[in-house]
Amino acid sequence: KNEVEQSPQNLTAQEGEFITINCSYSVGISALHWLQQHPGGGIVSLFMLSSGKKKHGRLIATINIQEKHSSLHITASHPRDSAVYICAVPGSSNTGKLIFGQGTTLQVKP
Amino acid sequence: DAGVIQSPRHEVTEMGQEVTLRCKPISGHDYLFWYRQTMMRGLELLIYFNNNVPIDDSGMPEDRFSAKMPNASFSTLKIQPSEPRDSAVYFCASSLLQGGREKLFFGSGTQLSVL
Repeated sequence: KNEVEQSPQNLTAQEGEFITINCSYSVGISALHWLQQHPGGGIVSLFMLSSGKKKHGRLIATINIQEKHSSLHITASHPRDSAVYICAVPGSSNTGKLIFGQGTTLQVKP
Repeated sequence: DAGVIQSPRHEVTEMGQEVTLRCKPISGHDYLFWYRQTMMRGLELLIYFNNNVPIDDSGMPEDRFSAKMPNASFSTLKIQPSEPRDSAVYFCASSLLQGGREKLFFGSGTQLSVL
């Protein structure tokens, strides 16, 4: 069974700061997901990546398959980035079952 | 496409009542997932379907929970009888491929409160 750990659990930053959220998992995977959940509750898939790096606007996601580790970076953070960020990986077998991290609550202050 | 559509957005019911949550996936998506989110346990997969067939229901808490997908554009999650511990946000999501290999698209969720 795959275990997923995120850090930090909570993060407060000033507007403009560079932010890093980390995710580690225990079992090799085909792909890792980063999700964003806004205070209103909706969940949006930010990235799905299986190797290297992906970039979308100010968001960058990286993954190191050998080290079983992924990071989500936010450059020039803004208060609207305030949300819960969740990483997720497939379960122990190659099924549709995702295992979710506990989430990182980010607050960006103006 | 309007995205994944869930109804109702909020449901308040009394213990013992039957609750039915509804989901319309994105057209063309072969996979549909039902998740539950609580403060204590975070997001958990309850059940998922591939081409309308239930594939893994190991996350369904007990026999009070049942899910159906009668066609490619509609799914229901039913709780009968409901209990206060069922209070949570229930999300439906769909994807083109298995959840591990393709982006998931989530509905807005149903906030369920069982009194």
